[in-house]
Amino acid sequence: GENVEQHPSTLSVQEGDSAVIKCTYSDSASNYFPWYKQELGKGPQLIIDIRSNVGEKKDQRIAVTLNKTAKHFSLHITETQPEDSAVYFCAASYTDKLIFGTGTRLQVFP
Amino acid sequence: SAVISQKPSRDICQRGTSLTIQCQVDSQVTMMFWYRQQPGQSLTLIATANQGSEATYESGFVIDKFPISRPNLTFSTLTVSNMSPEDSSIYLCSVDGQADEQYFGPGTRLTVT
Repeated sequence: GENVEQHPSTLSVQEGDSAVIKCTYSDSASNYFPWYKQELGKGPQLIIDIRSNVGEKKDQRIAVTLNKTAKHFSLHITETQPEDSAVYFCAASYTDKLIFGTGTRLQVFP
Repeated sequence: SAVISQKPSRDICQRGTSLTIQCQVDSQVTMMFWYRQQPGQSLTLIATANQGSEATYESGFVIDKFPISRPNLTFSTLTVSNMSPEDSSIYLCSVDGQADEQYFGPGTRLTVT
C-alpha cells in the first residue's frame, strides 16, 4: 500500500523567514497531494493541493511543488508569520482514500 | 467547501461504556470518512461510509468495535464500543469534495478513564 514520509517533524523559524516541509510517497499511481494545517484544538484545514499533471502551484505566501519522477512534493511558506504556527500534514491519494504523513510542527517566533 | 459539525466536541467516558459521535454536513456528499488521531500523532483512517451500503473498514479496525451508520447523504455516526483508555483520541469525520478533496470536521476529543 501507499506510504507517505514527512520531514522534518519539527521546524522553528524566525518571523519573516521561509519554511519548507518535504514529503515522499511510494505509490506511483498517486495523483493528488493535499496539504493540511491543524491548529491546536481544531480539525485539519485544507490549505493547498496539487495534482500530478502540475509541477508547481502557488497561493499567496504558500506554494507546493511536485516531482513525480522522484515521488516527492514540498510545501513552501514564505514571509512566515506567528499565525502560521501549527501542525502541517501532507497526504497522497491512494485509490479513493488519503494517506497522511506524520506531520510537521511549525513554530514561528516573532 | 462544506461546513461540517461534530457532536459532542469532547467527552470523558468510563471504560466499558460506548459513545456515539455524530457528523453533520451542510450539503449532500457521496463519501464520508472517519479518522482517529491519537495524541500528537497523524491521522489514521478507520472506515469509509457511503450512503446505502456497509462501511468499509481499514486493517486493524472492526465493525464490532466501531459501528458506523450512514442513513442519508448529510449525516453519519461512529460508535466507539466497550471503550478502554487506549481509545482516548481525537475522532474526526471528513467528507469528499470535488475530485479527491477531503474536508474535515472540528473533531471529537475523547478521554476514557
